[in-house]
Amino acid sequence: DGGITQSPKYLFRKEGQNVTLSCEQNLNHDAMYWYRQDPGQGLRLIYYSQIVNDFQKGDIAEGYSVSREKKESFPLTVTSAQKNPTAFYLCASSMDWGGADTQYFGPGTRLTVL
Amino acid sequence: KNQVEQSPQSLIILEGKNCTLQCNYTVSPFSNLRWYKQDTGRGPVSLTIMTFSENTKSNGRYTATLDADTKQSSLHITASQLSDSASYICVVSKAAGNKLTFGGGTRVLVKP
Repeated sequence: DGGITQSPKYLFRKEGQNVTLSCEQNLNHDAMYWYRQDPGQGLRLIYYSQIVNDFQKGDIAEGYSVSREKKESFPLTVTSAQKNPTAFYLCASSMDWGGADTQYFGPGTRLTVL
Repeated sequence: KNQVEQSPQSLIILEGKNCTLQCNYTVSPFSNLRWYKQDTGRGPVSLTIMTFSENTKSNGRYTATLDADTKQSSLHITASQLSDSASYICVVSKAAGNKLTFGGGTRVLVKP
């Protein structure tokens, strides 16, 4: 998993709750990413951050929020506005932003709405 | 629309046999193509990366090919092992804007 940790591994959320997924990396990478994976579909980009204190919306940002206060950390909050949050969430990092550098993925967090 | 299509969706092979996975893409302009291996419930791990000028790349028993003219790539697994059971994801990077497009993956099951 390349020095990226995600916690928790499993997370259960009641409807109307906000939950925060943790992502930490010790690779000294500038760029970090959050993806959502649904069965049979390709990974979809939620948010990305090119550098500390900066982040940008991806393709499916609605109902999610992030922060990047430290280089090592990029937490994702799934808000009650996200209507279908049950999915497998993957955090990744790369030396620089974009497709030129390989992205290293964390082990993932499986979120289930009860 | 930039797309990455993988086939088959799933396949079952006997241990020791070879198999080939396909990836067709429409992403343009093209920058590079990666194959990732994802074990169940884990994050993807990079296997190979190929740029426009490369048409083959190996990583142990995994060999990827790229035909940039026809926009096709394949991943060949030689002498499969039980540990090869996983999903294999094709990822294409766009040159303009650095955007990645992920295929839906091929799920491989190796049986003894």
